[in-house]
Amino acid sequence: GESVGLHLPTLSVQEGDNSIINCAYSNSASDYFIWYKQESGKGPQFIIDIRSNMDKRQGQRVTVLLNKTVKHLSLQIAATQPGDSAVYFCAENGGGSNYKLTFGKGTLLTVNP
Amino acid sequence: EADIYQTPRYLVIGTGKKITLECSQTMGHDKMYWYQQDPGMELHLIHYSYGVNSTEKGDLSSESTVSRIRTEHFPLTLESARPSHTSQYLCATAPLGTGELFFGEGSRLTVL
Repeated sequence: GESVGLHLPTLSVQEGDNSIINCAYSNSASDYFIWYKQESGKGPQFIIDIRSNMDKRQGQRVTVLLNKTVKHLSLQIAATQPGDSAVYFCAENGGGSNYKLTFGKGTLLTVNP
Repeated sequence: EADIYQTPRYLVIGTGKKITLECSQTMGHDKMYWYQQDPGMELHLIHYSYGVNSTEKGDLSSESTVSRIRTEHFPLTLESARPSHTSQYLCATAPLGTGELFFGEGSRLTVL
């Protein structure tokens, strides 16, 4: 079946370094992608989204890159801070306006001071 | 101040009990969702609603039921809880026409 998954389950970086979290998807009909951050004991929080007609989108300290050719999505966090430590999920909308998101397995990002 | 309220945050109950997890929102969003999440794992959609009197089952089969009598409330009910229902249940909302979900803090259920 169609699925969304992450390449790495854990990522450990030094404070101040840039972080890159990857996500692979298999549904070629997916038209919308979104990254969420989930801190321990909390619900996921929106970070950034991107539509399939774009290949890059930037936010504050974050950039999402979309490569539709290889069905790959990445989240780049600049100057990673201890407060960025969390689990990061990518999610996709498989097409249509109903937005039933399918979530990937998540990557645990640990930022070392 | 939270715009999506989930109660209880934590619940420990015995097998066979009936429970209702409450979710209410002050955002005025038409769409509401329930996701199930085991620790460290991905979120699985179990129920969703696009408005009052509209409910649909999600991708993950669940023995729970939901209702949407008012825009603000989307309660989830388990008629007879079992240990396999032990998990975290996350409620989310979204405006029509968008995919950005707003999540509550979750209800962590433990069934003994």
